[in-house]
Amino acid sequence: QKEVEQNSGPLSVPEGAIASLNCTYSDRGSQSFFWYRQYSGKSPELIMSIYSNGDKEDGRFTAQLNKASQYVSLLIRDSQPSDSATYLCATRTKDYGGSQGNLIFGKGTKLSVKP
Amino acid sequence: DVKVTQSSRYLVKRTGEKVFLECVQDMDHENMFWYRQDPGLGLRLIYFSYDVKMKEKGDIPEGYSVSREKKERFSLILESASTNQTSMYLCASSPPLGYYSYEQYFGPGTRLTVT
Repeated sequence: QKEVEQNSGPLSVPEGAIASLNCTYSDRGSQSFFWYRQYSGKSPELIMSIYSNGDKEDGRFTAQLNKASQYVSLLIRDSQPSDSATYLCATRTKDYGGSQGNLIFGKGTKLSVKP
Repeated sequence: DVKVTQSSRYLVKRTGEKVFLECVQDMDHENMFWYRQDPGLGLRLIYFSYDVKMKEKGDIPEGYSVSREKKERFSLILESASTNQTSMYLCASSPPLGYYSYEQYFGPGTRLTVT
């Protein structure tokens, strides 16, 4: 069973700090990795995608991928109270659910940024 | 911007009723998905479709069916609603499969209550 694991949290950080969210995955064949943000009562919103080892930066967000360790993380710099949400990690594995390949989601980490 | 819309934000139905949830996307995406999301269980894939008139079962298809008569529209049908189908239902779409792509975009969700 292919899995994506995340610490459920809550992860609490003070405003202005760096929030670090982590995710591990079991399928070594995973090729694409995504981070979604989900506010309470809302649907998931894609915020980052990463496909190769290393770092990818977009504004205050940095995604980090280490395929050898099967580990992907999301760093949020200068955290704001508006970043308080649940963050879902997802991976695409090639043969899950058919030849197209679907996403497997973690259950999410709840982040709370305190003013 | 990708736009995925769902027919209702909130829906209340009685046990045994037939329920239709509709999803429409405006980005000409080939792939469409239905998930349900429950506290502690995360996102679970019900059905998906990667072409008109094609459908594939996800992890939890029992009690559900789907219809995709047009590329932009994907409907989820609860043949005889039961209380354990009370949940948040999320539709998503994604562009054609590319080796490194497969970003899924979600609709706003339908919170269904079955009484």
